[in-house]
Amino acid sequence: DGGITQSPKYLFRKEGQNVTLSCEQNLNHDAMYWYRQDPGQGLRLIYYSQIVNDFQKGDIAEGYSVSREKKESFPLTVTSAQKNPTAFYLCASSPPMGGGRQLGYTFGSGTRLTVV
Amino acid sequence: GNSVTQMEGPVTLSEEAFLTINCTYTATGYPSLFWYVQYPGEGLQLLLKATKADDKGSNKGFEATYRKETTSFHLEKGSVQVSDSAVYFCALSDRGNDMRFGAGTRLTVKP
Repeated sequence: DGGITQSPKYLFRKEGQNVTLSCEQNLNHDAMYWYRQDPGQGLRLIYYSQIVNDFQKGDIAEGYSVSREKKESFPLTVTSAQKNPTAFYLCASSPPMGGGRQLGYTFGSGTRLTVV
Repeated sequence: GNSVTQMEGPVTLSEEAFLTINCTYTATGYPSLFWYVQYPGEGLQLLLKATKADDKGSNKGFEATYRKETTSFHLEKGSVQVSDSAVYFCALSDRGNDMRFGAGTRLTVKP
């Protein structure tokens, strides 16, 4: 079955450390997204990519970086510049050409990042 | 800009009670509207959708009707179960693949 795989499910980061969250999809979707979810709050867009080798900042990109070298993969790096990284991170994908508008997004099961 | 406003939770109901979660939106164009559900510790799952005015989305006993005149997309279910306990997100997509989410409403159903 097609879907989105996020790993790891739980991740612990020390102060000043960069960590990378993995997101892989086998849905043949062109568009991929990273969201941050804080307790009791909605989703905030970090970065998105509509096509390989291209990505755009979302609403809260500071302290994060991404790459899109393959259609299937969209890893997110949480850098030491992100001062409050403890949150639940969700990756999503959608078909191209307005497919998200018609079909909605498919989400992974998330990665919970904690600063220790 | 585009935005979605949901009723604040948490909402606590007894099993078999009627559920309504209100959602209103602001959009410049003609958006598609969605409800997603998030179970504890998991990602979001698409529950239902409507792509034009007066459309009704339905799934697993949940329904929502796209009301352009009131800019609303309220989620309803006639008889909730304990297994419906989750966080529900209303969302809209207006242009391209952009998706805007509401803050979410936590539902707890007690036996």
